Amino acid sequence: AQKVTQAQTEISVVEKEDVTLDCVYETRDTTYYLFWYKQPPSGELVFLIRRNSFDEQNEISGRYSWNFQKSTSSFNFTITASQVVDSAVYFCALSISGTYKYIFGTGTRLKVLA
Amino acid sequence: DVKVTQSSRYLVKRTGEKVFLECVQDMDHENMFWYRQDPGLGLRLIYFSYDVKMKEKGDIPEGYSVSREKKERFSLILESASTNQTSMYLCASIHRVFRNEQFFGPGTRLTVL
Repeated sequence: AQKVTQAQTEISVVEKEDVTLDCVYETRDTTYYLFWYKQPPSGELVFLIRRNSFDEQNEISGRYSWNFQKSTSSFNFTITASQVVDSAVYFCALSISGTYKYIFGTGTRLKVLA
Repeated sequence: DVKVTQSSRYLVKRTGEKVFLECVQDMDHENMFWYRQDPGLGLRLIYFSYDVKMKEKGDIPEGYSVSREKKERFSLILESASTNQTSMYLCASIHRVFRNEQFFGPGTRLTVL
């Protein structure tokens, strides 16, 4: 069975701090995709990134970076120099190639304080 | 600008009522999904549809049904609403081949009294 664990329920940081959101996944499949989504207070989930299981290269996009490590089954998300606008719930998700199903973690609520 | 829209942002219904939640996407996507979001439980898949009139049960289909008569529209039906169906409902769609991301609607917060 597949599973996604986001152990951090809520994190509070002060603006300009760096913060890492953890995501650990479980699957026996060799081909799969990992995602991060952001859900701001407005409620609509916003896609941030997709990674396939054969691409372990880390990615950086502005203040956002992602660290994918198959050896530890983790796909962690770091926000550098956090801003109040980063306050949201962040979801990690897993999708197995050849299926339509997406398995979401329980989400991490990030509060960035001014 | 691609869009997934949901018929209501907030809905209040009474126990036993039949409830329809509508979702429309304008991206010509084949696959559409209904999720339920509850605190501490994340998003859980209720049903998904991979084509018109085609549907499959997700993880928590009990108490729900769906309808997909047109490609752009996917409806979630609560035949007889119960208080434990009070939740946030999210619709999503994705292209069958280019499955880079699911596009989500803004959600419907349903309260059943």
